[in-house]
Amino acid sequence: AQSVAQPEDQVNVAEGNPLTVKCTYSVSGNPYLFWYVQYPNRGLQFLLKYITGDNLVKGSYGFEAEFNKSQTSFHLKKPSALVSDSALYFCAVRDLLFSGGYNKLIFGAGTRLAVHP
Amino acid sequence: GAGVSQTPSNKVTEKGKYVELRCDPISGHTALYWYRQSLGQGPEFLIYFQGTGAADDSGLPNDRFFAVRPEGSVSTLKIQRTERGDSAVYLCASSSGPNTEAFFGQGTRLTVV
Repeated sequence: AQSVAQPEDQVNVAEGNPLTVKCTYSVSGNPYLFWYVQYPNRGLQFLLKYITGDNLVKGSYGFEAEFNKSQTSFHLKKPSALVSDSALYFCAVRDLLFSGGYNKLIFGAGTRLAVHP
Repeated sequence: GAGVSQTPSNKVTEKGKYVELRCDPISGHTALYWYRQSLGQGPEFLIYFQGTGAADDSGLPNDRFFAVRPEGSVSTLKIQRTERGDSAVYLCASSSGPNTEAFFGQGTRLTVV
């Protein structure tokens, strides 16, 4: 079965501290992995993706994510959090074995990030 | 256009009524997706278009749901005999090709009363 788990409903971080938002996945084939962010009353915005190559992926707004095949994880990180990073974050996976050659994504339930001044 | 545009942004309808939700993708994007996001959950795949044809409609929950993209650009998601359980945010996304990242619209919040 294909699935994505975001084990934390909410992550609280002080501004200036590093942040991590966790994501684990389960697929039958090789994964394409994505992170999206959702601000209030706005659509999902693409942050970054992992397809192949370097396990550390850099994306928008200073975010990065590390692909770990042995732990089936793709955690989102940022060295220094900003209050403006407060939003809902979604991890998504495309199972290359079942996606039919297009971006049929399976999303996690989301993690709300709250960055406090 | 600059981004994916969805109209209306909010729709309230009575149970049993018919609704249409519109998606205007980014100009030139051949791939178009519909997802549904229920409260407290991540988006769930509904249907994928490549050009005018629905290449994968496996996520449509039942035959009350139908989507079209007659000219390979604008798409309409149609829901017949709406039920309260259909209440959700319906998201549309487009991409320049089947394997490139998808860009999402702001969504249409559908409330069935």
